[in-house]
Parts: sequence; structure tokens; C-alpha cells
Amino acid sequence: DAGVTQSPTHLIKTRGQHVTLRCSPISGHKSVSWYQQVLGQGPQFIFQYYEKEERGRGNFPDRFSARQFPNYSSELNVNALLLGDSALYLCASSWREFSEAFFGQGTRLTVV
Amino acid sequence: DAKTTQPPSMDCAEGRAANLPCNHSTISGNEYVYWYRQIHSQGPQYIIHGLKNNETNEMASLIITEDRKSSTLILPHATLRDTAVYYCIVRGGSGSRLTFGEGTQLTVNP
Repeated sequence: DAGVTQSPTHLIKTRGQHVTLRCSPISGHKSVSWYQQVLGQGPQFIFQYYEKEERGRGNFPDRFSARQFPNYSSELNVNALLLGDSALYLCASSWREFSEAFFGQGTRLTVV
Repeated sequence: DAKTTQPPSMDCAEGRAANLPCNHSTISGNEYVYWYRQIHSQGPQYIIHGLKNNETNEMASLIITEDRKSSTLILPHATLRDTAVYYCIVRGGSGSRLTFGEGTQLTVNP
């Protein structure tokens, strides 16, 4: 079975641009969460979606938004990119809201 | 969620058991202990989780003290591929989010 897949794997953007990151959960999983990992730190929670509804939001500005589609895939959008948004963005999926979460390999975003 | 405390680094000889401690003295009755690990530049990998009973799977064993204020992750026969940052996470108090701390850098030496 395929694990959590994220695209693209690497991305370079310019300050002020916007970016869309994509995540496909493990088949049968209905919950998707997004995390940001800055170099040298542990991942930080951004959003969780379950059954297409937002179930949690971390301490991130409104420039960050996400959604979950009927097939349970998800997109993370970041507007007005800042240099500080450079990070590894991780997607995790779980069968249910409180089940163990399985992570993808992440999207490495570099803002220049 | 309850805060966890882990040693910043540990070493282990290849083939020996690696015992990684975690303190979570403020854990609540409905909060679970989760362990993840992250090999450099990869996504975190789920290892094991438990509430109050000891748990074992094909990767590791989780020993939770009776008062639930601390736990130990045991890798029975460490290999070089087990070198990673290991995160102990208490989950459930404020929803299903995972709150990652600094973790323990485990280095398995040949």
C-alpha cells in the first residue's frame, strides 16, 4: 500500500508569492494534518482536517490556509511568502481523528 | 497537552538494547504517550503508543510507569539504521494534534 504522498518534493519561491502544497493520505484514512518543520526544530502543528472539516488550527497567521477534498486529499496554501516560511512541510494522515498519524516525506520549501 | 522531558542525546552500541526515557509528570488520565522518530530530512515515523499498559510491536516496546509520570521506549537490538531523533509526545489533552519537543538524538555506534 502507498503511504502518504506529498507533492512537490522541493520548491523554490520568491518572497511575496503564494504556494500550494498537496497531500494524498493513505487509502482509507479520513484525517489529514499539516506540520511545519524549521531546520533544527521539531515539527509544529498547522492544521488538522477530518471528514473535510477543520478540526484544529495551530498558531500560524491567516496567510496559511488549507482544505480537504471529498477524496480526503488536502492542500496547504501559503500567501505572501516570507523568508521565514522556508521549511519542511509535512503532511500526516490517520484513519480517524485520534488514530495514530503517519507522515509523508514532506515538501521542502525555500523562499528567496 | 502535557509537557515531556527527554535527554538531548544518547549513544548505544549496535546490537544492544536502547532505552530512551521520557518524563511526563503532568500527564492527564485521558492522554496517551506516543513515540515517533525522525531520520535526517525524512518525515517522522510512528513507532508505538500507549495509555497505561505496556505495549510491544515489531519495532519497539513501551514501558509506562504505574503512576504514568514517565515512560521508556526500548529498541531491543539497536542497529545503525536506528540512529535518529526520537520524540516522546503526550497526546489528547488539547485535541489530536502532536506537539513535538526537542527529542533525543540517538546515535547507534558500530
